[in-house]
Amino acid sequence: ETGVTQSPTHLIKTRGQQVTLRCSSQSGHNTVSWYQQALGQGPQFIFQYYREEENGRGNFPPRFSGLQFPNYSSELNVNALELDDSALYLCASSLEGFSYEQYFGPGTRLTVT
Amino acid sequence: AQSVTQLGSHVSVSEGALVLLRCNYSSSVPPYLFWYVQYPNQGLQLLLKYTSAATLVKGINGFEAEFKKSETSFHLTKPSAHMSDAAEYFCAVSVTGNTGKLIFGQGTTLQVKP
Repeated sequence: ETGVTQSPTHLIKTRGQQVTLRCSSQSGHNTVSWYQQALGQGPQFIFQYYREEENGRGNFPPRFSGLQFPNYSSELNVNALELDDSALYLCASSLEGFSYEQYFGPGTRLTVT
Repeated sequence: AQSVTQLGSHVSVSEGALVLLRCNYSSSVPPYLFWYVQYPNQGLQLLLKYTSAATLVKGINGFEAEFKKSETSFHLTKPSAHMSDAAEYFCAVSVTGNTGKLIFGQGTTLQVKP
């Protein structure tokens, strides 16, 4: 059984640029959630995707957007990067009907300069 | 609205001593509750979960937690700390009935002294 994987591991971007982060779900999982974890904080829910549709969103601006593909992998896109976007971005996958039980990937560390 | 409060941002114990990490929740509906552990530069690993079955929940690595509705608490314990337990611990509550969005506490750093 393959766990949740994320790429890239680390990323450095400049303010105003755009970034795409990628996530592959655990085998058999069809729901993907994204979280932002600022340094020294708990993760904060960005949004969730189920069957390629957004299925709930946290308190994040529209410049945070996502996609889910037919194979259940997912992307997180952030436009017009700001310094405060520097964080660890975590992807979590879960099974339909058990969306509360989420399995996390190792994360992507984004630094915005 | 659901929320989670973890009491104590840092907890230090000696190897072999009892570990107690505190978590209180607020929820207008019966909650699902979780403890996750995060080692440096890694993602979150699920330690244990409460989903309205037994109130005493056993997890991995010898950890357990007890759901106490009257105290709105879900404290994490381990009888004997090991050096490898040093990590960041997060308590989380699930917003049931919809997306399964997890709301996390601020985290508690556990230090284990030899």
